[in-house]
Amino acid sequence: AQSVTQLDSQVPVFEEAPVELRCNYSSSVSVYLFWYVQYPNQGLQLLLKYLSGSTLVKGINGFEAEFNKSQTSFHLRKPSVHISDTAEYFCAVGTTDSWGKFQFGAGTQVVVTP
Amino acid sequence: DTEVTQTPKHLVMGMTNKKSLKCEQHMGHRAMYWYKQKAKKPPELMFVYSYEKLSINESVPSRFSPECPNSSLLNLHLHALQPEDSALYLCASSPMVGNTEAFFGQGTRLTVV
Repeated sequence: AQSVTQLDSQVPVFEEAPVELRCNYSSSVSVYLFWYVQYPNQGLQLLLKYLSGSTLVKGINGFEAEFNKSQTSFHLRKPSVHISDTAEYFCAVGTTDSWGKFQFGAGTQVVVTP
Repeated sequence: DTEVTQTPKHLVMGMTNKKSLKCEQHMGHRAMYWYKQKAKKPPELMFVYSYEKLSINESVPSRFSPECPNSSLLNLHLHALQPEDSALYLCASSPMVGNTEAFFGQGTRLTVV
């Protein structure tokens, strides 16, 4: 079984400042990892994914994340945020022994202020 | 077409009603999912269909009944729900059940009165 922890429930950040959202996972088998964003009253939109290969993955809207196997982490970063980045962000993990069962973290609310 | 379409967007139903949620995708995906999301919480997996067959049921109460009539459609039939079943119901699809991302619909906001 896998688990995923998002260490920050809320992250306030000023516009044009950088932001990092932390995600740690636990699994005894190989993992594949995702970051999703959810705007109010909407579904989830995929920001980026790590399936295999390069550990630095780039996604949409200027986001990137780095898979660190030794630290079992998949932190999300953006060098300069916009007001429109205000949303809920979910880290999700799947494993090779539980196909189809994505485990979501509790979510991190990002609030961008001018 | 890269969308997962859910209807209706909002639904209010009484505890004795029968209603259905509908989900449609035309991406050729062979895996489809139902998730339930309560306010300020992450999505919780309910059901997974793979090649139109139910492959995962996360011990969901029988008042929720999924159906996959064909590879593009997924329904969730609702009967005798409780107020605590009020939530955002999300449908998702993926090319297959495996190491691949899921694409989510906009959800149906369900209120049980």
